Amino acid sequence: GAVVSQHPSRVICKSGTSVKIECRSLDFQATTMFWYRQFPKQSLMLMATSNEGSKATYEQGVEKDKFLINHASLTLSTLTVTSAHPEDSSFYICSARRSGDQSYNSPLHFGNGTRLTVT
Amino acid sequence: AQSVSQHNHHVILSEAASLELGCNYSYGGTVNLFWYVQYPGQHLQLLLKYFSGDPLVKGIKGFEAEFIKSKFSFNLRKPSVQWSDTAEYFCAVNRYSGGGADGLTFGKGTHLIIQP
Repeated sequence: GAVVSQHPSRVICKSGTSVKIECRSLDFQATTMFWYRQFPKQSLMLMATSNEGSKATYEQGVEKDKFLINHASLTLSTLTVTSAHPEDSSFYICSARRSGDQSYNSPLHFGNGTRLTVT
Repeated sequence: AQSVSQHNHHVILSEAASLELGCNYSYGGTVNLFWYVQYPGQHLQLLLKYFSGDPLVKGIKGFEAEFIKSKFSFNLRKPSVQWSDTAEYFCAVNRYSGGGADGLTFGKGTHLIIQP
């Protein structure tokens, strides 16, 4: 159980266009989801915390107007990269916490990630 | 801001060798510590975690890690590695803010290659 699915797994887009990435919890409800990005040979960096029904909390240095996050249901969070540029090319990964598991020791379940390439 | 440092970026071992991957974090408050593994083409999987209690924690697949608070370290160990342990290993810290855990802060990862 506890499967998190990301779609698409790979996407190539032209500079200036917008791309939407979906993160779904398939067999559980997730009040909280997290979005990370990973540059080649670097660590995963937390971008934002997505809470169902409320605004996302962004980490310092992450542009909220560029990386739009919507968490409209308990099983789906979306990340939209607006007006994408080549420097936005990266690996984006989401993770989810099962609803009700709000304690600090609850596990996070990760998606397989989305490889975004902006040309 | 908290940070996580993994000392070994690439490690190459022969099968049956012993493994120790270093991890240090910088944060003075209460933290929860994790090791994740990412096999080629797969998603991150939790190997083990430390929240409190016995500082020596045992995880899946024969891995263990020891939390040494005075050294801000959480090193991963395995007495005898197998070829199937070839993967990327990430150490991570979760700062407990009291109202629900923050997202994780990851180290840069260690690429482990086990030679048959």
